[in-house]
Amino acid sequence: GQQVMQIPQYQHVQEGEDFTTYCNSSTTLSNIQWYKQRPGGHPVFLIQLVKSGEVKKQKRLTFQFGEAKKNSSLHITATQTTDVGTYFCAGKWKLSFGAGTTVTVRA
Amino acid sequence: EAGVAQSPRYKIIEKRQSVAFWCNPISGHATLYWYQQILGQGPKLLIQFQNNGVVDDSQLPKDRFSAERLKGVDSTLKIQPAKLEDSAVYLCASSLEPGQGRSYNSPLHFGNGTRLTVT
Repeated sequence: GQQVMQIPQYQHVQEGEDFTTYCNSSTTLSNIQWYKQRPGGHPVFLIQLVKSGEVKKQKRLTFQFGEAKKNSSLHITATQTTDVGTYFCAGKWKLSFGAGTTVTVRA
Repeated sequence: EAGVAQSPRYKIIEKRQSVAFWCNPISGHATLYWYQQILGQGPKLLIQFQNNGVVDDSQLPKDRFSAERLKGVDSTLKIQPAKLEDSAVYLCASSLEPGQGRSYNSPLHFGNGTRLTVT
């Protein structure tokens, strides 16, 4: 079955810096969703990508879907303390979630 | 709109005991999901309902877990008997449209979850 892998598992970022987290699938995805889970909270939907090579932006967050639709990335610029949390990608099959990238921010 | 409601918020039981969780999805959402999230891991789908029918329960440990959505609205998830490894947060989610047969999925709206500790 489909597996979604995320790297890195942990990301420690200096406030103001940029970082990227990656999501890779063993099979082609029809779409991919990204969620954010704050510490102690529940996953909250951020965005969905459907088209090959699609790029979507939400303020400082840029999401990209690979040309082959087997990978995706989330790039955050000028990291803020509000970005703390775990970012999950989810593929369509069984809406399976990756293990997530847990982001901590050094002020 | 009101969000997904779950109860209880926390539950502590001893192994071999039984426990039940309740979920009320967002009004009008046809699809309901139960996920298990073990600390440090991503949510794992246990069961997916569309209205009152089961779409996918392939990852549900059926020897001890059961779930129902009798009237196509709220749902209960039961564990009987519980094991230590069942300690996790149980998340309920709902979405507006069926998740299958389309190139896109409706976003999942999650409840706050039930944190289960089995001692």
